[in-house]
Parts: sequence; structure tokens; C-alpha cells
Amino acid sequence: NAGVTQTPKFQVLKTGQSMTLQCAQDMNHEYMSWYRQDPGMGLRLIHYSVGAGITDQGEVPNGYNVSRSTTEDFPLRLLSAAPSQTSVYFCASRAGGDSPLHFGNGTRLTVT
Amino acid sequence: AQKITQTQPGMFVQEKEAVTLDCTYDTSDPSYGLFWYKQPSSGEMIFLIYQGSYDQQNATEGRYSLNFQKARKSANLVISASQLGDSAMYFCAMRSTGANSKLTFGKGITLSVRP
Repeated sequence: NAGVTQTPKFQVLKTGQSMTLQCAQDMNHEYMSWYRQDPGMGLRLIHYSVGAGITDQGEVPNGYNVSRSTTEDFPLRLLSAAPSQTSVYFCASRAGGDSPLHFGNGTRLTVT
Repeated sequence: AQKITQTQPGMFVQEKEAVTLDCTYDTSDPSYGLFWYKQPSSGEMIFLIYQGSYDQQNATEGRYSLNFQKARKSANLVISASQLGDSAMYFCAMRSTGANSKLTFGKGITLSVRP
């Protein structure tokens, strides 16, 4: 059981470049989300989805797009990378009720 | 709005001793859940323990227990018999009950276990 799989693990971008962080889960979870982790800031929610075709903004959505065409996949797109988007990104999913979030292993992104 | 506060500076504990990591929260929702996660230096996020706001007893999971004081809005994590592998960053988080509810994290506490 793979759980939540994120790719790539590391990425370096130049300012202005675009890229997509991939996230897939095989637990049939309806809820998926993206967080970014910065030193001293904890984890902050970027976007989330409660099911295929439904997405919504979190706390820090600017500069990021998401889509949810299937239950399994929830990619995060950086349209025009900026140095302020240098961070560690986590994808997570959960089942309903009181279930905890299951996290992927993270993507370390550096924008120069 | 929900808010999680973790204000302790880096914590140190001697191996085999118990340690308490503090967490206070603020919410106007009547029903919510509290979570603790561990992040070792390797970076992954590991779920440790959950406490529901209406649970009558404090949650326990092995060496982890949650000291839940609803009136004080605190949900402290207690780790008993600390091990070197407990050295990590620990995050407290909360979520209101509901399918669309989002998990809000505190800023974390670093715990170092001394041999």
C-alpha cells in the first residue's frame, strides 16, 4: 500500500518558470490537500479538495493552482515561480470522520 | 477562526524520562478534534494521537498520551519513557468536525532527547 506519493522529491526552478508537483493516493480518500512548510511557520494550507471536481483555497493560495479530475490525483501547479515559493510542500489525504491526515514525503522546492 | 499556539522554545529531556509538550488552541466551534504529529529530521509527517472534543477520557497511544483540558483549551502531549528516536519536531493541529474542515497547525516544538 503506497499511501500518498509525491513527486519529485527535490526541484530547483528559476524565477518565472512553471511546474507541477504531483500527488497521488491509493486509499480512496475523498479529501486531499496541499501544505507548505517554512521555518518557524508550521504548515500552512494552500489548497484542498473534498472530492473529484471540487477544490477550494486555503490560507496561502496565491501563485498556486490545483485541479482534481480523479479521486486519486491532486496536482499542484506553480504558474510563475517566485523565490518566496521556496519551501517544502506536502500533499496529504484523509478519509471521513475523525481520520487523521496521511502525508506524502514532501517536495523540497528551491526557486532562484 | 481556529488558532493553535505552541510557544515553548526547544525542549530537552533525558532519555527514559517523561516530557510534556504544550499546545493551546482557540476556536468557537463546539465540536472539534486535536491531533499531534511528529516530524523527524528525515522530514516525513507521522500521526501520533487524536483527541475529540467530546471524548470523556484523555487519548493514549502507547507511550503517547494527550492531556486534554477543555476549559483551558489546552491539549498537551505527554511522552513517557523518552527514547533517542523521539528527537524530532512536534506539531499540534486542530480541525472542526465536518467533511470540509481544514487542519490548522501550530508552529511546532523541537524536542531533543539526551542520552
